[in-house]
Amino acid sequence: GENVEQHPSTLSVQEGDSAVIKCTYSDSASNYFPWYKQELGKRPQLIIDIRSNVGEKKDQRIAVTLNKTAKHFSLHITETQPEDSAVYFCAARIQGAQKLVFGQGTRLTINP
Amino acid sequence: DGGITQSPKYLFRKEGQNVTLSCEQNLNHDAMYWYRQDPGQGLRLIYYSQIVNDFQKGDIAEGYSVSREKKESFPLTVTSAQKNPTAFYLCASRAWRGAYNEQFFGPGTRLTVL
Repeated sequence: GENVEQHPSTLSVQEGDSAVIKCTYSDSASNYFPWYKQELGKRPQLIIDIRSNVGEKKDQRIAVTLNKTAKHFSLHITETQPEDSAVYFCAARIQGAQKLVFGQGTRLTINP
Repeated sequence: DGGITQSPKYLFRKEGQNVTLSCEQNLNHDAMYWYRQDPGQGLRLIYYSQIVNDFQKGDIAEGYSVSREKKESFPLTVTSAQKNPTAFYLCASRAWRGAYNEQFFGPGTRLTVL
């Protein structure tokens, strides 16, 4: 089955700097890669996703890149703000499957 | 607030007791999921259901049971066979048709075994 590894487990950056979180997946049949943000005590919410036929996707300060050959994808947050502090999860879904496989999560802290 | 509700928000259980966590959605979604969240371990799939009266085990189904008698409801029972039930439990749902449909989460239930 699919396995998703996420790094780093914790990340601390200065406000205004960029943050990068990386994930690798094992099954080349995976074709959908969402990223979720979970604030303390809240539910995870989708912030961006990418399909396997796309190499990069941007939404304002957030971007995701996908390297199918290397089987890894990354979340990039630019001009970080205090409200970006949260736990971020990557996930992957194998084509035709109905379940997501999640990474272990990254706790991002933005220092003022 | 997202169309998925979970109750109760907090639940306390004595060892040896079974407890049932509620999950309801009004999004007309076919697929529903239960996850367990522990610190540093991400989201682990317990059970999922693609249609009414059908469900499949996830990665950590031992000690849990589910039912799917209605499209809107997917309750999770934590049985006394679950050795370490203290955790945050998240329910989720998504539309069946469409490979890239977003999966929405409920607000969660925090279960504590006393």
